[in-house]
Amino acid sequence: ETGVTQSPTHLIKTRGQQVTLRCSSQSGHNTVSWYQQALGQGPQFIFQYYREEENGRGNFPPRFSGLQFPNYSSELNVNALELDDSALYLCASSVLTPSYEQYFGPGTRLTVT
Amino acid sequence: AQSVTQLDSQVPVFEEAPVELRCNYSSSVSVYLFWYVQYPNQGLQLLLKYLSGSTLVESINGFEAEFNKSQTSFHLRKPSVHISDTAEYFCAVSLPYNNNDMRFGAGTRLTVKP
Repeated sequence: ETGVTQSPTHLIKTRGQQVTLRCSSQSGHNTVSWYQQALGQGPQFIFQYYREEENGRGNFPPRFSGLQFPNYSSELNVNALELDDSALYLCASSVLTPSYEQYFGPGTRLTVT
Repeated sequence: AQSVTQLDSQVPVFEEAPVELRCNYSSSVSVYLFWYVQYPNQGLQLLLKYLSGSTLVESINGFEAEFNKSQTSFHLRKPSVHISDTAEYFCAVSLPYNNNDMRFGAGTRLTVKP
């Protein structure tokens, strides 16, 4: 059973650019959530996808968007990057029942200069 | 909306000493509670969770947490810590029957000294 994987591991972008981060969910999981973890802070919920549909969204602007594919892998897209977007982006996969446990990937470290 | 407060940003302890990491939550409805651990340059790993039933929950590596509804707390404890327990610990809360919009605390940095 493979765990949650994310790519790339690290990424450096310039303000105003666009970025796509990828996540492969754990086998058998149909739900993917994305979190932003700024340095020294806890993760903040961006949005969740369940069976390819958005299933909840946190307090993030529309320039943060996502996709979930039929194999339940997912992408996080961020347009018009800002310096404050620099953070560790975590993906977590789960099944909604019975345990609601989320399995996290190692994250993608995004630096915006 | 639900929220979590971790009362200590850093907790230094000596090896083999007991430790308690404090977590208080706020919610107008019933919640699920979780503790996650994050080692350097890694993602989060679930330590333990409270969904319902027994208010004392345990992990396989000696940690335990007790759900206290009257005090809205979910403190994490270990009777004897090891150097390998050094990590960042996050308390989190979500609504029942759904794990979207899970809210995390700011984290507690546990440092175990020899």
